[in-house]
Amino acid sequence: AQSVTQLGSHVSVSEGALVLLRCNYSSSVPPYLFWYVQYPNQGLQLLLKYTSAATLVKGINGFEAEFKKSETSFHLTKPSAHMRDAAEYFCAVTEGAAGNKLTFGGGTRVLVKP
Amino acid sequence: NAGVTQTPKFQVLKTGQSMTLQCAQDMNHEYMSWYRQDPGMGLRLIHYSVGAGITDQGEVPNGYNVSRSTTEDFPLRLLSAAPSQTSVYFCASKGRQGVNTQYFGPGTRLTVL
Repeated sequence: AQSVTQLGSHVSVSEGALVLLRCNYSSSVPPYLFWYVQYPNQGLQLLLKYTSAATLVKGINGFEAEFKKSETSFHLTKPSAHMRDAAEYFCAVTEGAAGNKLTFGGGTRVLVKP
Repeated sequence: NAGVTQTPKFQVLKTGQSMTLQCAQDMNHEYMSWYRQDPGMGLRLIHYSVGAGITDQGEVPNGYNVSRSTTEDFPLRLLSAAPSQTSVYFCASKGRQGVNTQYFGPGTRLTVL
């Protein structure tokens, strides 16, 4: 069975500082991994996804994530936080190329301080 | 192109009442699913469908029914609402080919008293 662990339910960063959100996964087969963002009172929007091509994946809004098989990790980073990055971020995994059933982590809420 | 739409946006029910959450997509996606979001637990899969006439259970199916009579619509039914079903419900859809992005609707916030 697949599972996702996100370390830290809340992260506070200063505007302009590095954003680092941690995600570790468990999967019995090569996984496909996703990061979604949820702005207040909205649905989820895809930031980026890993589908077994390049291990460093670039997404929207300046975010990127690196797939590390040896560490079973898929951490999300952004070099310089903006106020608009304040949101909740979810890491998710799916098994198999169909990518139908997503298993989500518990989410990390990011607060950006001016 | 509206994407994935959900109605209603908010709903308050009393214990034991029934209701249907509506979900529709206009992207001709074969795959549709329902998730519930609870604090600290992320989103959990309730039911999903890989095409019209085909549905299956996800991680937390108890208390919910679904059907898929058309490609566009995937309603979620609560037959007898319970306080434990207080949550935010999201519908999602994706195309069949490859590991495609799942597109999420704006959600329905349900409170069961």
